Amino acid sequence: NAGVTQTPKFQVLKTGQSMTLQCAQDMNHNSMYWYRQDPGMGLRLIYYSASEGTTDKGEVPNGYNVSRLNKREFSLRLESAAPSQTSVYFCASSEVDREADTQYFGPGTRLTVL
Amino acid sequence: AQKITQTQPGMFVQEKEAVTLDCTYDTSDPSYGLFWYKQPSSGEMIFLIYQGSYDQQNATEGRYSLNFQKARKSANLVISASQLGDSAMYFCAMREGTNSKLTFGKGITLSVRP
Repeated sequence: NAGVTQTPKFQVLKTGQSMTLQCAQDMNHNSMYWYRQDPGMGLRLIYYSASEGTTDKGEVPNGYNVSRLNKREFSLRLESAAPSQTSVYFCASSEVDREADTQYFGPGTRLTVL
Repeated sequence: AQKITQTQPGMFVQEKEAVTLDCTYDTSDPSYGLFWYKQPSSGEMIFLIYQGSYDQQNATEGRYSLNFQKARKSANLVISASQLGDSAMYFCAMREGTNSKLTFGKGITLSVRP
């Protein structure tokens, strides 16, 4: 099992460009999440999908959209990238969406917006 | 107020010794989960250990144990017999009730000396 995979690993964008970060999990988990990690700030939740067909905003959703394509895949889209979106993006998944369930993380995507 | 507080500066420990990484949390929800993650220099987030708010005993996973003091709202991670590969950033995180968000602390850097 690969667990949670993310593509790409690295990306450089110019201000105003768009891109989609891809995430897939092979653990048959119902819930998936997108976080961003900025220096000195830990991780913050952008969007999540508690189950296939549902998505909800997290703590910092502005400037992002998400799509839960199927049970395995959850993508994050930046429509018009801004330098403030320079960050490391992590996708995570858990069996269900409750406090006792561990979230397992992908390797991350390092995004730089110039 | 911060939900998760990790205030220790960079920590150093001698190989084979034990080390405690501090974490205090703030919540009024009676149902919550506490997690510790390890982030090595390669960047991935690795789940280490989980403690539920209703758990009567401290969680243990191999060389990792969690010193859970509910009244003090602390959930310190104890690593026994430190190894060079334990050098990493360690994050404490909390999930409250039905809230999907994992709230992370700012992390503690641990360096293991040979």
